[in-house]
Amino acid sequence: DAGITQSPRHKVTETGTPVTLRCHQTENHRYMYWYRQDPGHGLRLIHYSYGVKDTDKGEVSDGYSVSRSKTEDFLLTLESATSSQTSVYFCAISPRGQVAPNTEAFFGQGTRLTVV
Amino acid sequence: GQQLNQSPQSMFIQEGEDVSMNCTSSSIFNTWLWYKQDPGEGPVLLIALYKAGELTSNGRLTAQFGITRKDSFLNISASIPSDVGIYFCAGQLLYGSNYQLIWGAGTKLIIKP
Repeated sequence: DAGITQSPRHKVTETGTPVTLRCHQTENHRYMYWYRQDPGHGLRLIHYSYGVKDTDKGEVSDGYSVSRSKTEDFLLTLESATSSQTSVYFCAISPRGQVAPNTEAFFGQGTRLTVV
Repeated sequence: GQQLNQSPQSMFIQEGEDVSMNCTSSSIFNTWLWYKQDPGEGPVLLIALYKAGELTSNGRLTAQFGITRKDSFLNISASIPSDVGIYFCAGQLLYGSNYQLIWGAGTKLIIKP
């Protein structure tokens, strides 16, 4: 298994509170991604990173911010959580990323976030 | 945004049956990926397809990259209980100057007891 650890695995938080999810990798891969997974929508890209301090928006980035200060860590922050952000969040890594063809991504186990 | 239609949404099958699922789009893809997700886990890559017409097998799994580059299918032969899970297709295409991965909504495979 690719060395990806997401924390926490489960979290319940109140509307309006800030939340930070962490993704840690031991593979030294350049690219890291945050997805959310909701029934009927498959996986939707929130933000991705193509290097330390290099990030870009994905399909559903509104309400989310990210930071990558080290190769191994990619943080996803919900500045003010809303009920629509209740979801399962997956981190993924890949050596070449979505900006190159023939890309294979490896996923973490997910974080189940509930906003009440 | 880009659309990728995956069907069926769910399947109830008997152990030992063959399974077929597919993904279609109006967009042209240069790579198709098939993933399986077990409950409480992240998706795991099963098969990657890189050329139109390519047919690739991984054990009891076979997947093909459609000739038109707009579709792909995944077949599972002689299903067993551990095949239960959600199967996702993902297609990679060039959007502007960057490549993007577009995901299907998933096919949930359930084996009848």
